[in-house]
Amino acid sequence: EDKVVQSPLSLVVHEGDTVTLNCSYEVTNFRSLLWYKQEKKAPTFLFMLTSSGIEKKSGRLSSILDKKELFSILNITATQTGDSAVYLCAVEAGTGTASKLTFGTGTRLQVTL
Amino acid sequence: KAGVTQTPRYLIKTRGQQVTLSCSPISGHRSVSWYQQTPGQGLQFLFEYFSETQRNKGNFPGRFSGRQFSNSRSEMNVSTLELGDSALYLCASSAQGGWAYEQYFGPGTRLTVT
Repeated sequence: EDKVVQSPLSLVVHEGDTVTLNCSYEVTNFRSLLWYKQEKKAPTFLFMLTSSGIEKKSGRLSSILDKKELFSILNITATQTGDSAVYLCAVEAGTGTASKLTFGTGTRLQVTL
Repeated sequence: KAGVTQTPRYLIKTRGQQVTLSCSPISGHRSVSWYQQTPGQGLQFLFEYFSETQRNKGNFPGRFSGRQFSNSRSEMNVSTLELGDSALYLCASSAQGGWAYEQYFGPGTRLTVT
């Protein structure tokens, strides 16, 4: 059974800190890894990673994938209170047109003043 | 461009009943995926429809079913409701289908089974 594990489960940091969120996975026929941010209801897409070692960056957020060690990290620098959310990691796996998305349980990040 | 809409937003049902949830994707999007989110299990994939065909399916019992119409709107049906079906049900649409393309999530339908 495909498995995605995120750590830590929750994190409280001060504004301005840098945080690293972890996502490890065990899946058959890996295709891609995705990061989402969920603030209240609907998750919003952050990154999709398919290739090892290539960093994706968007402002203060960046992410990288290690397909050999089966993990990804999401970095947030100079955190702001608006970064407070649950960050979800999901892995797409499958062959051909059949694929499945497995989510981790998320990391709850709280940024305090 | 209007976002993904889901109706109803909140629903209370009794065990044994059935329920139908609706999702209208972003205009032009052909793929709709459904997810169940609970505090214990997190976000779990139910199924994906693309051009009226179910293309991918998660590990849920047959009580969970769905369909997609020619205008890409999708419905999800849960029959013989159980207490454990209480959850937030999210749908997401994407232009091409599959998660290589960005998904946009709707606000969800909160289902409570009593």
